Amino acid sequence: AQTVTQSQPEMSVQEAETVTLSCTYDTSENNYYLFWYKQPPSRQMILVIRQEAYKQQNATENRFSVNFQKAAKSFSLKISDSQLGDTAMYFCAFMKWAGGTSYGKLTFGQGTILTVHP
Amino acid sequence: GAVVSQHPSWVICKSGTSVKIECRSLDFQATTMFWYRQFPKQSLMLMATSNEGSKATYEQGVEKDKFLINHASLTLSTLTVTSAHPEDSSFYICSARRDSYTPLMYFGPGTRLTVL
Repeated sequence: AQTVTQSQPEMSVQEAETVTLSCTYDTSENNYYLFWYKQPPSRQMILVIRQEAYKQQNATENRFSVNFQKAAKSFSLKISDSQLGDTAMYFCAFMKWAGGTSYGKLTFGQGTILTVHP
Repeated sequence: GAVVSQHPSWVICKSGTSVKIECRSLDFQATTMFWYRQFPKQSLMLMATSNEGSKATYEQGVEKDKFLINHASLTLSTLTVTSAHPEDSSFYICSARRDSYTPLMYFGPGTRLTVL
């Protein structure tokens, strides 16, 4: 079974600054995907970024980037130039991937509440 | 983009009654849908996996007779909370994927259930 751990229940950052959210996971699988999802006050889950385990290059999406350390089983999210709209709960998630197909089940971390202050 | 809707968005019911929540994929056919439960400021906990035309697969600890799931078509899955009690009050979220060859999951906006 997979486990995902987010050790920061809450974080805060000033607008325009950079913040890093931590995530570690445990798995015996070699092929998998890792995700960061954002859940704003509306509670709609929004995909922020994803990383394929077999790709060594860290994924980036505009202001969002990850630091994927496969050996250490670490997957942190860096948000640059933080904006007020980034205020949300952020979840790290794991999905097993095998033979070009996914099992579809997402295992989520506990979440980190991020508050961006003006 | 792929859109998943849920209905209702918020429901209040009396203890002992049953409540049905619908999850629809609006612009794609979803071979598999997933149901999650989320308590305030907590993570999403997978309840069950719903496959079109077959019985749902429930996670350990989830009561099958309590949470009935029906995936009647490629665009609709329903979750029925039977004989609801106040402890069933929670936020229920569904997600759907087009097929097993993509890791992308599309989430519904969620349904808030309050049992009085």
